[in-house]
Amino acid sequence: ILNVEQSPQSLHVQEGDSTNFTCSFPSSNFYALHWYRWETAKSPEALFVMTLNGDEKKKGRISATLNTKEGYSYLYIKGSQPEDSATYLCAPRSGAGSYQLTFGKGTKLSVIP
Amino acid sequence: SQTIHQWPATLVQPVGSPLSLECTVEGTSNPNLYWYRQAAGRGLQLLFYSVGIGQISSEVPQNLSASRPQDRQFILSSKKLLLSDSGFYLCAWRVNGQDNSPLHFGNGTRLTVT
Repeated sequence: ILNVEQSPQSLHVQEGDSTNFTCSFPSSNFYALHWYRWETAKSPEALFVMTLNGDEKKKGRISATLNTKEGYSYLYIKGSQPEDSATYLCAPRSGAGSYQLTFGKGTKLSVIP
Repeated sequence: SQTIHQWPATLVQPVGSPLSLECTVEGTSNPNLYWYRQAAGRGLQLLFYSVGIGQISSEVPQNLSASRPQDRQFILSSKKLLLSDSGFYLCAWRVNGQDNSPLHFGNGTRLTVT
């Protein structure tokens, strides 16, 4: 089981502010990193699957970067909107053999209108 | 399009009672299926996964079991619930054969064991 740390645990931002948070994971035997968004009363939804060091992915106002050598990924939200309020989960996968994701506890984002 | 159904949404059960949570997937065949649990203050923990009918892999020793009687049906069971089984249970599927395909989750079941 991997040691996955997400920080901060929670944050509140004003509508229109940009924000970012971190996912840290062991760099050894890295295979892939998943990001999910989990809105209250809904199911977690996949945002990105990242595999290569230096990867940068973007979906609307949300983007993510990956550093596999040092074991971290950043998720950025530009111009936060109330609908961005959710818990953001990262889940690294180690090794190609089995598809096992180790989920972090998440960062809970609240965007204040 | 593919959909995943999970029920019930909430469940309150006494200690020692049996459990059956059901999950079905529509619109795809031979999916990989997963049961996750989120206990209070913890991240999602993988309980079971299945790559085919009758094939179940368990990731943690526990009071629970899983079965896959049909291609797109995944059932989580217990003969006797413990207080520690309380939590939020999520079923998920992903495309078989695509190495880094993401998980698609159901809406979850909130289980409270009293």
